[in-house]
Amino acid sequence: GEDVEQSLFLSVREGDSSVINCTYTDSSSTYLYWYKQEPGAGLQLLTYIFSNMDMKQDQRLTVLLNKKDKHLSLRIADTQTGDSAIYFCAERDGGATNKLIFGTGTLLAVQP
Amino acid sequence: DAGVIQSPRHEVTEMGQEVTLRCKPISGHNSLFWYRQTMMRGLELLIYFNNNVPIDDSGMPEDRFSAKMPNASFSTLKIQPSEPRDSAVYFCASSPQGGVTNEKLFFGSGTQLSVL
Repeated sequence: GEDVEQSLFLSVREGDSSVINCTYTDSSSTYLYWYKQEPGAGLQLLTYIFSNMDMKQDQRLTVLLNKKDKHLSLRIADTQTGDSAIYFCAERDGGATNKLIFGTGTLLAVQP
Repeated sequence: DAGVIQSPRHEVTEMGQEVTLRCKPISGHNSLFWYRQTMMRGLELLIYFNNNVPIDDSGMPEDRFSAKMPNASFSTLKIQPSEPRDSAVYFCASSPQGGVTNEKLFFGSGTQLSVL
């Protein structure tokens, strides 16, 4: 079955870049997503990338996709304390169900 | 738009009691999802509906769990009888496109369930 894996924790200093990594198993995934969960709240879609792209940039966010290695990363430039949250990688099930498979989430802690 | 609305925000109940969680999706969205989040298992998809019809309930833990969507603007997730291991945050999410091309989910704020 599909599996999405992430490291559990990342700590960075304010102003530094953060890189959150994700590996997935379903090679037929058409879209891959990054969601952000702030304390006490639901997940919010941050950005997504179509599988035929290698990179997508959106202001401070850069998504890199290595389809050969099934590796996805999210880079946050100039990380701020407000970026502290849990970040989830997700892939869309390439089968008939079309459901999203979420990773375990990476807790990003930004130190002032 | 008010977004996905879940109630209650917090629920504390005793083992054996029935628990009903409620969700109002964003108006016009075709799909509705119920997720459960715990420290041990992360975010698990329990069930999802497309146009009010259950499409995939393979994530529902056992017969104690049931979900309904009587109309496009309301869904319930019921646990009867509840057990301490059901304690988790339950999220409802909706999606505008029914999973046809790009599944962007909009999440509610969740219901924090504690079963004592």
